[in-house]
Amino acid sequence: DAKTTQPPSMDCAEGRAANLPCNHSTISGNEYVYWYRQIHSQGPQYIIHGLKNNETNEMASLIITEDRKSSTLILPHATLRDTAVYYCIVRVAPTNAGKSTFGDGTTLTVKP
Amino acid sequence: NAGVMQNPRHLVRRRGQEARLRCSPMKGHSHVYWYRQLPEEGLKFMVYLQKENIIDESGMPKERFSAEFPKEGPSILRIQQVVRGDSAAYFCASSPTGETEAFFGQGTRLTVV
Repeated sequence: DAKTTQPPSMDCAEGRAANLPCNHSTISGNEYVYWYRQIHSQGPQYIIHGLKNNETNEMASLIITEDRKSSTLILPHATLRDTAVYYCIVRVAPTNAGKSTFGDGTTLTVKP
Repeated sequence: NAGVMQNPRHLVRRRGQEARLRCSPMKGHSHVYWYRQLPEEGLKFMVYLQKENIIDESGMPKERFSAEFPKEGPSILRIQQVVRGDSAAYFCASSPTGETEAFFGQGTRLTVV
């Protein structure tokens, strides 16, 4: 699986959009970008994933650059409950869907 | 439909004792994954099991650790002769097949004293 690079921490004001970047310059053509988050002391939660097109669901949007070397997770209206560690993972899908390599992630702090 | 259930949520063991961690997957899920999260570190994959079979154990320590997922009952992660370095949060995830997204439980926090 390709390696990813994320900033260690970010702050965001409540109600504003949170934009979390991820670099994955060595991504292969058959690898997907996945995002998870881990709220303090809880199990990781799947957020969204994509291959090359932008994706949106009820939780977030995923913007992948045309060359696929980086992506951005967007939480459109961050709330205090979105404070968590966010992990960007690159993985060949769909096989071994539960086996992921988690890095250090980005600690997002949403402030009132 | 209940989520992935792990028990106990907290487990305290003395050095040298055995720890048994249980994971009941979501209904209809026959694939289970175990992860370990050491204090202040990220999650590390340990083992992937399908009913009665170990599919991938590339992340399992070579000694003292074992995992099973019997035909009936929960998946068990067993740690023999625990040491202080085994203190961590252990998470289990399950999926209906190996090709669909997995859902995580709330974890078992093991403390070795």
